[in-house]
Amino acid sequence: GDSVTQMEGPVTLSEEAFLTINCTYTATGYPSLFWYVQYPGEGLQLLLKATKADDKGSNKGFEATYRKETTSFHLEKGSVQVSDSAVYFCALNGDRNQFYFGTGTSLTVIP
Amino acid sequence: DTAVSQTPKYLVTQMGNDKSIKCEQNLGHDTMYWYKQDSKKFLKIMFSYNNKELIINETVPNRFSPKSPDKAHLNLHINSLELGDSAVYFCASSVRGPNSPLHFGNGTRLTVT
Repeated sequence: GDSVTQMEGPVTLSEEAFLTINCTYTATGYPSLFWYVQYPGEGLQLLLKATKADDKGSNKGFEATYRKETTSFHLEKGSVQVSDSAVYFCALNGDRNQFYFGTGTSLTVIP
Repeated sequence: DTAVSQTPKYLVTQMGNDKSIKCEQNLGHDTMYWYKQDSKKFLKIMFSYNNKELIINETVPNRFSPKSPDKAHLNLHINSLELGDSAVYFCASSVRGPNSPLHFGNGTRLTVT
């Protein structure tokens, strides 16, 4: 069945460091891929998405490219800020229109 | 102008009690969901309704019963609460289709003592 495997955390970075959170997926067909962010005490918010191979989603300095050949959707940001501290979830929406989430990666950015 | 709103935000109750969580969305979406998030942040789908019809019913104890009076509302009733039910419960909604994202509420933190 469909699934998402996400890099385990926690991740701790200094401000302005480069961020990569790895995400790979298994799916039949052609899923849409998403990154969500969850700030403390809040619900998940959509960060970015890509709906087909080679699409690049981007938002707030974050980027992720849908790579069908490596079944990956890695999240990157060139220079993280303290305000980026949160839990990040990779997700897919597959052929059955059912969402599958990764286990979440906690990011802490220190000044 | 809250998109997906759920109440209450916090719920503290004793084992054996019955409680309900309410969810409403004003996005015009046709599909609504309940997710459970445990202490390790793992998200588990519980139920999904499309146009008031149950379409996803994962392995969840019978003590959990969803009810969707209309497309904009999906409530969750829990009977005979147990300690293991303590978690954060999220309501979400979407337009049914592969490219549509989920929109989440802010969660209900349920603590069973």
